[in-house]
Amino acid sequence: KNQVEQSPQSLIILEGKNCTLQCNYTVSPFSNLRWYKQDTGRGPVSLTIMTFSENTKSNGRYTATLDADTKQSSLHITASQLSDSASYICVVSDRGSTLGRLYFGRGTQLTVWP
Amino acid sequence: EADIYQTPRYLVIGTGKKITLECSQTMGHDKMYWYQQDPGMELHLIHYSYGVNSTEKGDLSSESTVSRIRTEHFPLTLESARPSHTSQYLCASSAKSGQGVRDEQFFGPGTRLTVL
Repeated sequence: KNQVEQSPQSLIILEGKNCTLQCNYTVSPFSNLRWYKQDTGRGPVSLTIMTFSENTKSNGRYTATLDADTKQSSLHITASQLSDSASYICVVSDRGSTLGRLYFGRGTQLTVWP
Repeated sequence: EADIYQTPRYLVIGTGKKITLECSQTMGHDKMYWYQQDPGMELHLIHYSYGVNSTEKGDLSSESTVSRIRTEHFPLTLESARPSHTSQYLCASSAKSGQGVRDEQFFGPGTRLTVL
C-alpha cells in the first residue's frame, strides 16, 4: 500500500532556530517527492520537488534531501521566522499512473515562537 | 502565486441544503482535482477531471458530484448537505503531460464548509 508518513506530528521552536522535518514513504514506482507549505486556512504551496536522481534541493532557507534507497526525505529550515509557522506536507507522486496521482502525508505542524 | 480561485472561502449552512463550491483556474490546465481535508489529516482525492466532459471519482467516496463543461471551471455540488460533510475542500489543477512538470498541482485557497 502506498503511504507517506511524517514526523514529528507537531513541533515548536524559537525564532532563529533551525529544524528538520522527516518523511518516509512506500510509494512505488516512485516519480518525485515534493514538500508543500500550507498556511492555516489556505491551500498548499510547493516548496521543493525532487526526482529519483536528485538528493538535495534548496529554496531559500528551505533545504530538502532525498534518499531514494531508504525512501526517506527531510526538510531542513534554517534561521526560522515567525512566518514559517505552518503545516509542512510531504507529497509523493507515483510513476505508474497517467493521472499523476499524489500521496499526501498528514503534515508536520510547525509553530515558531518569538 | 497560482491563478486558481475558490468561492466561497467560508460557508455555514443548515442540513438538507443544496450547495455548490466554485473553482476556476486561468492557467489553461487540462487536469483539475477536488480534495477533502479534515484538521490534522492528509488530503483525500474525491474527484478529478482530465478535461472537458471528463469526470472521475477519487480515492475517497463522496456524496458530492462535479461537472466540467469548461476547461477553466470545475464546480462541486452537494445536493443535500449533512453535518458529516463539514470539512475543508481544496481545488487544484495541473498541466497536461508535456507542458511542464507532469504532476505539478497548484492549489486554490480552499472552502471551509460547516453544515449545522
